[in-house]
Amino acid sequence: DIVMTQSPDSLAVSLGERATINCKSSQSVLYSSRNKNYLAWYQQKPGQPPKLLIYWASTRESGVPDRFSGSGSGTDFALTIRSLQAEDVAVYYCQQTYNTPPTFGQGTRVEI
Amino acid sequence: EVRLVESGGGLVQPGGSLRLSCAASEFSFSSYWMHWVRQAPGKGLVWVSRIDTDGRSTVYADSVRGRFTISRDNAKNTLYLELNHLRAEDTALYFCAKGKYSGDWANSPIFDNWGQGIPVTVSS
Repeated sequence: DIVMTQSPDSLAVSLGERATINCKSSQSVLYSSRNKNYLAWYQQKPGQPPKLLIYWASTRESGVPDRFSGSGSGTDFALTIRSLQAEDVAVYYCQQTYNTPPTFGQGTRVEI
Repeated sequence: EVRLVESGGGLVQPGGSLRLSCAASEFSFSSYWMHWVRQAPGKGLVWVSRIDTDGRSTVYADSVRGRFTISRDNAKNTLYLELNHLRAEDTALYFCAKGKYSGDWANSPIFDNWGQGIPVTVSS
């Protein structure tokens, strides 16, 4: 199984500041022939199911604010929240969609 | 708006069984692969199982293979997960999740819609 490791486990960011979460996969999730990185990001607020934010490493899901962006390729990825808002307080998970079983990182808690 | 509503969870003794259901609406259920993902209390997300559009192909996580069975009834727009030989470590919130794509990309496990989750507690 591909192991996904996020860092840090938690971070506190001031309102309006940038938050960056890193995600590393134990093997490349780049599907070269399709030129796509099989990496997704989810946001989970307390008491709610996860919400898809980003897929193919950098494609924003419909309706997701543009302050959320994804980057990276191969084994190293990042989710950036450009200007943190109060409603962004949540746990964020990366997930590889490259092979079965799909696996998630351990989560990163973002606080104000 | 896509709607996924789980039911059937509860408290069960070790070794017992449960059948979870996920009622789907507002999308073409039979066109999408469906998944179950679970989350133990205070822990992260763990993928459990998936089923293809007509139910002929199923895959399981190692931790549940041989004990859990995923199925679907496209006529009823409902996904199921039968849980047998339950263990304490199966205690979790169980989510059903929809694959984002149909057609050629249907096998991509990007989960664009999730149910609210249904709790399963295994305890004596």
